Amino acid sequence: DSGVTQTPKHLITATGQRVTLRCSPRSGDLSVYWYQQSLDQGLQFLIQYYNGEERAKGNILERFSAQQFPDLHSELNLSSLELGDSALYFCASSLGTANEKLFFGSGTQLSVL
Amino acid sequence: DAKTTQPNSMESNEEEPVHLPCNHSTISGTDYIHWYRQLPSQGPEYVIHGLTSNVNNRMASLAIAEDRKSSTLILHRATLRDAAVYYCILPWGSGNTPLVFGKGTRLSVIA
Repeated sequence: DSGVTQTPKHLITATGQRVTLRCSPRSGDLSVYWYQQSLDQGLQFLIQYYNGEERAKGNILERFSAQQFPDLHSELNLSSLELGDSALYFCASSLGTANEKLFFGSGTQLSVL
Repeated sequence: DAKTTQPNSMESNEEEPVHLPCNHSTISGTDYIHWYRQLPSQGPEYVIHGLTSNVNNRMASLAIAEDRKSSTLILHRATLRDAAVYYCILPWGSGNTPLVFGKGTRLSVIA
């Protein structure tokens, strides 16, 4: 158990819909990262937050947004969903921002039908 | 984009040592080299990381070339539970996070 909690574990929705994925980091960790893993693209970095502020942005689509709340949990919002958004979405957390170990959650499997 | 090059797959016999290579010729002086692995149906997990010296922990050893352009993850005795995708990663951007994963090496362990 990494200590990172992601909900829900599975999500099935239709094209055009909007969903929210939730992540609770390990106790004490200030950084939260979101990754998307699909069969053809591998593990893609989406976005990082540190103590409530956006720290780094990767290959995140404009239809996707995220935030980190004062209690340090994070949400990833995916809107106008397309079939190609079907993937496993991982959240990871770390203590800070420099050479820290990342601890990954078990992921949310999103299926867009 | 990933800044490392790894073989797509490797195979090892159980209880034998495994050497997983990684090339990172564009590494900068302050980049740590990170290794993670992803077991089937799980999120990635940390294995080891280092800067210049060889590093050891309970899971593995990391041997870093003197010029730091390559490194090798060493599993001293492979077990069936070590079958996973192993990622060699350099940090992305000016800081030392976040980590951008490449395709990794899929390690198969044969009983």
